[in-house]
Amino acid sequence: EVQLVESGGGLVQPGGSLRLSCAASGFTFSDHYMDWVRQAPGKGLEWVGHIRNKPDSYTTKYAASVKGRFTISRDDSKNSLYLQMNSLKSEDTAVYYCGRINGYKFVDYWGQGTLVTVSS
Amino acid sequence: DIQMTQSPSSLSASVGDRVTITCRASQGISTYLAWFQQKPGKAPKSLIYATSSLQSGVPSKFSGSGSGTDFTLTISSLQPEDFATYYCQQYNSYPLTFGGGTKVEIK
Repeated sequence: EVQLVESGGGLVQPGGSLRLSCAASGFTFSDHYMDWVRQAPGKGLEWVGHIRNKPDSYTTKYAASVKGRFTISRDDSKNSLYLQMNSLKSEDTAVYYCGRINGYKFVDYWGQGTLVTVSS
Repeated sequence: DIQMTQSPSSLSASVGDRVTITCRASQGISTYLAWFQQKPGKAPKSLIYATSSLQSGVPSKFSGSGSGTDFTLTISSLQPEDFATYYCQQYNSYPLTFGGGTKVEIK
C-alpha cells in the first residue's frame, strides 16, 4: 500500500525557516518524481514544486511564489522527500502535501498534509 | 502561466442527480488535465488523469472529457459520499496550475 507521511510542520515567525519531510513506503520511491502542493486556510490548491528522479538528474521545478526561498530535495536511501523553507512569510501559511507522480506525470497518491503557520 | 477557470464555483444538487463541472484553460494543454476530489479536512484524492482516464479504484460514475482548452468532469448519479470540492489541474507546462475549485453541496 502506498503511504506518504508528512512531518515537520508547526509555528514559525516571519523570516524564519522550517524543513518538512515526507516519508514514503509501499512503492519504489527512487523511481518516482515527487510533488509538493499547499493549501492556505479556506483556499484552493497551489502547486509548490517538484523533484524528478535520478535518471532525470533530480531536476527541480518551483512555483514563482517560492522560487529562491524553498528548496526541494530527496534521499532515495531513506525513501524521503524534503522541503526546506526559508525567509517564510505570512502568506506561506498552509497545509503542505507531498504527492507521488506516476508514469503519466500526475499525482496519484497524496500524504495527509502538515500545517505550517507563519506568524509572530 | 496557464490559468485554469472552473465553473461553477459551487452548486447544489440532489442524490441521484447528474452533475457536470467545467474547467477552461487559458491556452491549449492537449489532454494533460487531471481532476481531484477533496473533502473537508482531508487530503485531495486523485480521480482522473489524462482528461478521461480513471485512477485505479475510482468508480465509473466519474468521467472526464475534453481537449485543448475545454474540459468537463461528470458524475453520473450523485451519491452522499460525492459531496466535496473538485479541482482540475493542468500538467502540460510549468508552473502546474489548479482551477479554483467547485464545491458540490447537498440541495
